[in-house]
Amino acid sequence: DTGVSQDPRHKITKRGQNVTFRCDPISEHNRLYWYRQTLGQGPEFLTYFQNEAQLEKSRLLSDRFSAERPKGSFSTLEIQRTEQGDSAMYLCASSRTASYNEQFFGPGTRLTVL
Amino acid sequence: DQQVKQNSPSLSVQEGRISILNCDYTNSMFDYFLWYKKYPAEGPTFLISISSIKDKNEDGRFTVFLNKSAKHLSLHIVPSQPGDSAVYFCAASERNTPLVFGKGTRLSVIA
Repeated sequence: DTGVSQDPRHKITKRGQNVTFRCDPISEHNRLYWYRQTLGQGPEFLTYFQNEAQLEKSRLLSDRFSAERPKGSFSTLEIQRTEQGDSAMYLCASSRTASYNEQFFGPGTRLTVL
Repeated sequence: DQQVKQNSPSLSVQEGRISILNCDYTNSMFDYFLWYKKYPAEGPTFLISISSIKDKNEDGRFTVFLNKSAKHLSLHIVPSQPGDSAVYFCAASERNTPLVFGKGTRLSVIA
């Protein structure tokens, strides 16, 4: 299967702990996106990369959040000092750089902060 | 302020009939529109898209219509099948920027 993969699929943590998620995009895709989805909402954009360069960060991405994409391959999203409000589904997507932007999503990482 | 709105949280349709899901947007700079389908505990799956230079795009049972003057698009599924039961998200993009999603419409196809 050559789709977008995410690890872990589920993460339960206590408030104040740090967590890190990984995303492996489709191999020929040079764009990688992170979104967050809460109950009853659509996915909300957090940040995205073109190759290893982080091109944009949403206002939703507080200082406790950091994302990297070393060497333009996989990406990690770290949340420091987690809060209960961070509980959500974290989705990764990838796409080619093209005029029109079909993004393909991974299965997501469900984060629960106790 | 929501730039992409799906005003119907849910829709029920009988198997074999047409399902029509609607989406409105406010940003006239959006030039690409997509529909995604999402099953529980899975990521969204790309379904169909349309660029702003077209008013219709068809792929099998799925057709998307775009009315730029009304800032409205719709997804038609015909005939509807029980396996189509899922949450459908409308999304829009401006010049290849990250997608802006609506809140979704839950479609239930009743056998």
